[in-house]
Amino acid sequence: AQSVTQLDSHVSVSEGTPVLLRCNYSSSYSPSLFWYVQHPNKGLQLLLKYTSAATLVKGINGFEAEFKKSETSFHLTKPSAHMSDAAEYFCVVSGEDSNYQLIWGAGTKLIIKP
Amino acid sequence: GAGVSQSPSNKVTEKGKDVELRCDPISGHTALYWYRQRLGQGLEFLIYFQGNSAPDKSGLPSDRFSAERTGESVSTLTIQRTQQEDSAVYLCASSSYRRLADTQYFGPGTRLTVL
Repeated sequence: AQSVTQLDSHVSVSEGTPVLLRCNYSSSYSPSLFWYVQHPNKGLQLLLKYTSAATLVKGINGFEAEFKKSETSFHLTKPSAHMSDAAEYFCVVSGEDSNYQLIWGAGTKLIIKP
Repeated sequence: GAGVSQSPSNKVTEKGKDVELRCDPISGHTALYWYRQRLGQGLEFLIYFQGNSAPDKSGLPSDRFSAERTGESVSTLTIQRTQQEDSAVYLCASSSYRRLADTQYFGPGTRLTVL
């Protein structure tokens, strides 16, 4: 069965420094992968998605993620953090048994220090 | 509407009572999903609708949970005889097509607290 592991429950960076949120997945086939963001008291929003096209995916708000099949990773990065990036980030993989089920990671809380 | 809406935003109930949670998807979206998010955890899939049919109810935790959708629009998630472990945020999402790569648009959720 497929699974998603977000390696850090919390990540704290200073404003203006790079962001790295780590995600590893397990799947017996080539999955689709997503990053969603959840700001406090707001709904979940899709940041970006990988669907077997380019391995480097660019999303909204300056975020990007690289699909690395050999490492089964899909880490999320941003060159320079902004205070407004403070939120919870979820890595998601598509389900093997159906074409609509999504398997969610536990989330990483991104904290931005001024 | 402009986005997915859910009501109520917060619901506090006593153990043993029934609750109904409502989801209004984006107009024209054929697919609708219900998830549960416990504190500090990721989303747990509950049920999926394509149109008014629910081909996959495998995520419903028990027979106390049921959901329906009418008019290929509004959906209601009902929890009967609520238990304290049902306390969570219940999220609804909709998407245009029944394909894994299609973006799911989420509502703000209903926070359910069972005392």
